[in-house]
Amino acid sequence: LAKTTQPISMDSYEGQEVNITCSHNNIATNDYITWYQQFPSQGPRFIIQGYKTKVTNEVASLFIPADRKSSTLSLPRVSLSDTAVYYCLVGSGGYNKLIFGAGTRLAVHP
Amino acid sequence: DGGITQSPKYLFRKEGQNVTLSCEQNLNHDAMYWYRQDPGQGLRLIYYSQIVNDFQKGDIAEGYSVSREKKESFPLTVTSAQKNPTAFYLCASSRGTGERPGNQPQHFGDGTRLSIL
Repeated sequence: LAKTTQPISMDSYEGQEVNITCSHNNIATNDYITWYQQFPSQGPRFIIQGYKTKVTNEVASLFIPADRKSSTLSLPRVSLSDTAVYYCLVGSGGYNKLIFGAGTRLAVHP
Repeated sequence: DGGITQSPKYLFRKEGQNVTLSCEQNLNHDAMYWYRQDPGQGLRLIYYSQIVNDFQKGDIAEGYSVSREKKESFPLTVTSAQKNPTAFYLCASSRGTGERPGNQPQHFGDGTRLSIL
């Protein structure tokens, strides 16, 4: 079971780039890395998913080094509305193997 | 718009009462999940269902029950045996069967907040 470790909290200011790193040392060959965003009193929302190298969409970029033991979610030019909890998940095995840890609480300040 | 609908948004339970939380999806997903989230914590898996008429216990199934009679619906009953039911409950779905489920993005509803009267 691939366990993930990410910082408990981060602070940033509007307009800055934010990078949140997640470590997953036991990632399996077939596992993808998925990031979710959760606002208070809402369900998590899928942001981005990747397997290796770099993935970019309209919201974020995901950087995955060759050894795949970590990944970095990059949010360009954050705004106040990016204040949320961000979860890193590594898919592994069965339906009951997904673990949403406490995530990273990102606070964006004016 | 495709998505997951949870109802009600807020629910109150009296002592000794069973309550049922509704979850409906129109994404044509095979797999559905129920999670519990306590303040400041991550999500913990209560039950999951890979396909109609089948469901499995997650990490914290005691005091809860589910049914999956239709592909679109996965209601959760919080029974009187659940002594600490106050939490935020989230339902999710994913494409499901035949693939590595951990690699499939989950789609979540907006949750039901359950409190004790």
